[in-house]
Amino acid sequence: EPEVTQTPSHQVTQMGQEVILRCVPISNHLYFYWYRQILGQKVEFLVSFYNNEISEKSEIFDDQFSVERPDGSNFTLKIRSTKLEDSAMYFCASTSGQGKDTQYFGPGTRLTVL
Amino acid sequence: GESVGLHLPTLSVQEGDNSIINCAYSNSASDYFIWYKQESGKGPQFIIDIRSNMDKRQGQRVTVLLNKTVKHLSLQIAATQPGDSAVYFCAENPDNTDKLIFGTGTRLQVFP
Repeated sequence: EPEVTQTPSHQVTQMGQEVILRCVPISNHLYFYWYRQILGQKVEFLVSFYNNEISEKSEIFDDQFSVERPDGSNFTLKIRSTKLEDSAMYFCASTSGQGKDTQYFGPGTRLTVL
Repeated sequence: GESVGLHLPTLSVQEGDNSIINCAYSNSASDYFIWYKQESGKGPQFIIDIRSNMDKRQGQRVTVLLNKTVKHLSLQIAATQPGDSAVYFCAENPDNTDKLIFGTGTRLQVFP
């Protein structure tokens, strides 16, 4: 069964450093998403991406965040200058159709900012 | 200061019993709803979904009920098994967006 994959599983970084979280969505999917989950809290939407552009973003997704689909398989989330409060699990999701199709989630990357 | 995580409501059931997990959603414009299961250290795993033109949908051992009048969603798990132990989240999708809005979550504990 096709799955969303994410790398790395755990990323530790110093405050102020840049990090790139990588995702490989399910191969025939067209819509991609990033969510985050701070330890013990709800899963929160960050951004959705379709046709090589952002279709929607949340208030959390400020100028420090960016997304990119550098090739036909990868989807990345970059945090330019990490803050302590960026520590969280980051989940990538993908769906074949917009909105009303099931979003399938990857296993997540645990980001720890020291 | 240290952030305090949400205290998840917990449902404890005996193996073989039926479980009912409830969720109140916030947006009356939501027209698509999903239940996800999240095991420790893993991503949300799709269980079942329902669209707003339905009141009930059944899967294998799971049933989702939707009450739009009171904005309430429930997940019923028949013959609960130890492998069902996890945190269960409901998520809603408002009609003018493709983002999911997740609920707080309920921890299901299954004991023998």
